[in-house]
Amino acid sequence: DSGVTQTPKHLITATGQRVTLRCSPRSGDLSVYWYQQSLDQGLQFLIHYYNGEERAKGNILERFSAQQFPDLHSELNLSSLELGDSALYFCASSEGGIGGTEAFFGQGTRLTVV
Amino acid sequence: DAKTTQPPSMDCAEGRAANLPCNHSTISGNEYVYWYRQIHSQGPQYIIHGLKNNETNEMASLIITEDRKSSTLILPHATLRDTAVYYCIVRGKWNSGNTPLVFGKGTRLSVIA
Repeated sequence: DSGVTQTPKHLITATGQRVTLRCSPRSGDLSVYWYQQSLDQGLQFLIHYYNGEERAKGNILERFSAQQFPDLHSELNLSSLELGDSALYFCASSEGGIGGTEAFFGQGTRLTVV
Repeated sequence: DAKTTQPPSMDCAEGRAANLPCNHSTISGNEYVYWYRQIHSQGPQYIIHGLKNNETNEMASLIITEDRKSSTLILPHATLRDTAVYYCIVRGKWNSGNTPLVFGKGTRLSVIA
């Protein structure tokens, strides 16, 4: 158990809909990262938050957005869903300190768009 | 962050040491080498990381060459449960937090009974 909790574990929704994925980081971790893993793309970095502020964006679509709340949990919002958005979505957290620290991943949310 | 090159796949006999190589010839002085693995659609699992010295923990050993242009992850006694995709990642850091991990294609390690 990494200590990172993602909910829900599975989600099935229709095209055009909007969903919210939730991530609770390990206690004390200030950084939260979101990743998307589809069969043909591998693990793609989407976005990074540090202590409530957006720090870096990767290959995140404009239809996707995220935020990190004062209690440090994070949500990834996916809207106008398309079939191609079907993927595993992982959240990771790390201390975010200046040293070389590891990131811990949750078990992911499997999103299926039908 | 520097790019890494890993073989796409490797086999290892159960009980033997698995040695997974990684080239990172463009690594800069403040970049760390990280290893993660992913077992069949589970969340990636941290294994080990290092800057320039060799490192060992309960899971593996990390050997970094003196010029830091390559490294080897060693699983000393591979088991079937070590079958996974192994990612070597070079990662820098900011003053106020670590840079994101950027995953490549990794090495698919198959441990064979």
